[in-house]
This record gives sequence, C-alpha cells and structure tokens, in this order.
Amino acid sequence: KNEVEQSPQNLTAQEGEFITINCSYSVGISALHWLQQHPGGGIVSLFMLSSGKKKHGRLIATINIQEKHSSLHITASHPRDSAVYICAVIFGNEKLTFGTGTRLTIIP
Amino acid sequence: DTEVTQTPKHLVMGMTNKKSLKCEQHMGHRAMYWYKQKAKKPPELMFVYSYEKLSINESVPSRFSPECPNSSLLNLHLHALQPEDSALYLCASSQAWSNEQYFGPGTRLTVT
Repeated sequence: KNEVEQSPQNLTAQEGEFITINCSYSVGISALHWLQQHPGGGIVSLFMLSSGKKKHGRLIATINIQEKHSSLHITASHPRDSAVYICAVIFGNEKLTFGTGTRLTIIP
Repeated sequence: DTEVTQTPKHLVMGMTNKKSLKCEQHMGHRAMYWYKQKAKKPPELMFVYSYEKLSINESVPSRFSPECPNSSLLNLHLHALQPEDSALYLCASSQAWSNEQYFGPGTRLTVT
C-alpha cells in the first residue's frame, strides 16, 4: 500500500530554533513535495525534489531515496513560519498522496 | 506570473442553490486539479483535467460538476449540495500530470 507518514504531528519551538520535520514513504516514488499551509489559507509549494537537497532562504529540503525518507529543515525559525507543513509524494505516475501534516508553532 | 487565482474567497449557499467556483492560471499549465479539504485533514483529489479533457474523476457525487472552458480556466459547478460538503476547495495546476503543482488560495464553502 502506498503510504506517507510525517513526524512529529505537532511541534512547538522558540523563535530562533532549528526545526526538522520528517517524512517517510512506503515504496519508490517519482517525486516528493513539501507544502506549507497557513491557518484558513491556501497551500504554497515550497519544494519539489526527487533526489539530493534543495535550499531556499532559511528552508532546506533533503531526500534519501534508499532510505525512503525526506526532511524539511527551517533555520533561525520565526513566528511567521507557524503553519502546517505537508509532505506529498507521487508514487509512479499516480496522483499526489498527502501526509497528515505537521503543525508547527513558533513562540516569540 | 506563478499564481493560481480562485474566486470567490468565501461562499455561503443553501442546499437548493446553484453556484460556481472559478480557478484561473496563466502559466501555460496543461493540467488542472480540484481538491476538497476538510478541517485538519489533507486535501482529497476530486478531479483532474489534462489538456482540457477530464482525465480523473475520483468518484465525486454528480452534484459537483467540473468544467474546463479553456486551458487557463477551471470551473466547479455546485448544485443541491449537502451540509457535509462544507470545506475548503482548492484548485491547483501543473505543467503536466505528475509535475510540481501550484495551488490557489482556495474557496471556503459553507452549505446551510
């Protein structure tokens, strides 16, 4: 069965802390998305990756194909980073399969 | 322009009303998607249009009727909805099926 698991489900941290959110999937994929959703809002695509590492500002996404695992890191976290972060994968040539999301709260 | 726009932002409708949600993109994307998202849940795929043809219908009830008038526009026609259809409806587009998707801000629908 094609599954995506994220951890942790909820994460609260102090402003400035280094944040890591994890995503594991069950079988080989063609691509993985990291998405951000603010409360009541639409979804922003942060990264799409199929190998290696990508960086954009304070955000870094890595993927290990052999381990079937990806991480999203936020450096120097800020209250505006508070949101739900969603990992979504494409198994083969199928639709996006979404993880259940990680609710991140950054306290000033 | 890397934006997907959706109108309206909010919609309240009765169970006997007919309304439409609109989605627009000008990125030249040839795949467009409708998702439904309930509170604290991940989005659920409803429909996929590829090159203006309906390619996926995830067994969505017929009270939801999608339409793709041209390559930039996607509509979702609503009729005789139920209160449990209240949700955030998200539109997305991508260059082609299985490429990176760009999401719109969503329409928050309340059915009374």
